[in-house]
Amino acid sequence: EPEVTQTPSHQVTQMGQEVILRCVPISNHLYFYWYRQILGQKVEFLVSFYNNEISEKSEIFDDQFSVERPDGSNFTLKIRSTKLEDSAMYFCASRSGTGNTIYFGEGSWLTVV
Amino acid sequence: QKEVEQDPGPLSVPEGAIVSLNCTYSNSAFQYFMWYRQYSRKGPELLMYTYSSGNKEDGRFTAQVDKSSKYISLFIRDSQPSDSATYLCAMRDSSASKIIFGSGTRLSIRP
Repeated sequence: EPEVTQTPSHQVTQMGQEVILRCVPISNHLYFYWYRQILGQKVEFLVSFYNNEISEKSEIFDDQFSVERPDGSNFTLKIRSTKLEDSAMYFCASRSGTGNTIYFGEGSWLTVV
Repeated sequence: QKEVEQDPGPLSVPEGAIVSLNCTYSNSAFQYFMWYRQYSRKGPELLMYTYSSGNKEDGRFTAQVDKSSKYISLFIRDSQPSDSATYLCAMRDSSASKIIFGSGTRLSIRP
C-alpha cells in the first residue's frame, strides 16, 4: 500500500540551527501538508501546498518556516533558526486531486536543545 | 469556542465492550469527517471517512455524522486490546484544503 515516508525519524539540533525535514508523499498525490504535534497536545496544521505554491498556512507558520518541492517526489519543511518551542513531532501528509482523505507519514521527531 | 471539541479521556473499557467516541464542532461548513487512530509516537492512521450526514460501517467500526447537531461518533464493536490508542476526529469544509483535528481521546482496552 502506498505510504508517505519521512526522514529523519528523529533529529536533535541546537537552538538557532537550521533544520530541514524531508517527505516523500504518495505518488500522484497533488496536495501536500505539514502538521506538528507538541508532546501531549493536539495535531496542529502548519501549511498546505498545491500546484507549487502555499495554498494555506496557519499562524504558527511564520517567517522562520518555509516549504519546498524541489523535484517531482520530495516535499521539505525548513525551519530557519530553531527555538526550544519548535520541539515537536512533525507530520507530512498528502491527498490526491480527487480524494478527500489525507494520509500521514510516521513523523519526524525534532528535539531542540 | 474551539472549532472541534473532543473529550481527551482517558477511557478504559474491558475487552469485548462497545466503545463510543465522540466529537462536536462549531463550523457548519464542515462537510468531510474522518477518524484517525494514533499509536504513541506514530503518525495518524486513517480509519474512517464520511461525507456529510449518515452512517458508514467498516468491519468492527461504525462512523456516524449528525450535521444538524454538529456531532460525530465512532463506535468500535468487540473491542480488542490492540485497539488501545488515541483516536482523533478530523474534519474539513469544501473550500479549505486542510483538516482540523480534535484533541484526541485516549482509549485503553483491558484484557
